[in-house]
Amino acid sequence: DAKTTQPPSMDCAEGRAANLPCNHSTISGNEYVYWYRQIHSQGPQYIIHGLKNNETNEMASLIITEDRKSSTLILPHATLRDTAVYYCIVQGGSQGNLIFGKGTKLSVKP
Amino acid sequence: EPEVTQTPSHQVTQMGQEVILRCVPISNHLYFYWYRQILGQKVEFLVSFYNNEISEKSEIFDDQFSVERPDGSNFTLKIRSTKLEDSAMYFCASTVGVRRNYGYTFGSGTRLTVV
Repeated sequence: DAKTTQPPSMDCAEGRAANLPCNHSTISGNEYVYWYRQIHSQGPQYIIHGLKNNETNEMASLIITEDRKSSTLILPHATLRDTAVYYCIVQGGSQGNLIFGKGTKLSVKP
Repeated sequence: EPEVTQTPSHQVTQMGQEVILRCVPISNHLYFYWYRQILGQKVEFLVSFYNNEISEKSEIFDDQFSVERPDGSNFTLKIRSTKLEDSAMYFCASTVGVRRNYGYTFGSGTRLTVV
């Protein structure tokens, strides 16, 4: 089973920041938090990942709490093309296979 | 940007037939995966493959399924004697390594329809 909890859906206005929360209270010290998204039925797309420090790339920022029990993915200026299901994943399995939950369906509205 | 390529994009097959789904991972990647997603459901892990052998598999990956890397570039998933419930999107993924500081690249998937 997935080791994360996410709200099933969220709305965001176009141009505003989208803040997607994730709880992972049972995360182990050496496990990373990954974020992926899936637009319609396309293959999941990697967004960002982190261990304990906040991370930023061209797509998003990842804020991880100091106790590592939760994190927030931030899309700074959401566009209509960011409408997708966003998955927060704590990497599990000895060979790195990703365990997907149900994710958060983000709807960006004009 | 490098891509994981999957063919065909859509496959229709009759129940009981064998299908082979093909994937070309990114050339310098070492770990390969198959996932599936039944319509409206979660993405499910099937199998991981490293150094020319299966490294981990899920309960879904039973004797009906097999994987191989017949040459240096292709990575295939074979489903023998397909069933209606095998209808799903099948995604291939690859990554450079599993030291947990690399992202995974997924292909755009093969939609398998068993009739």
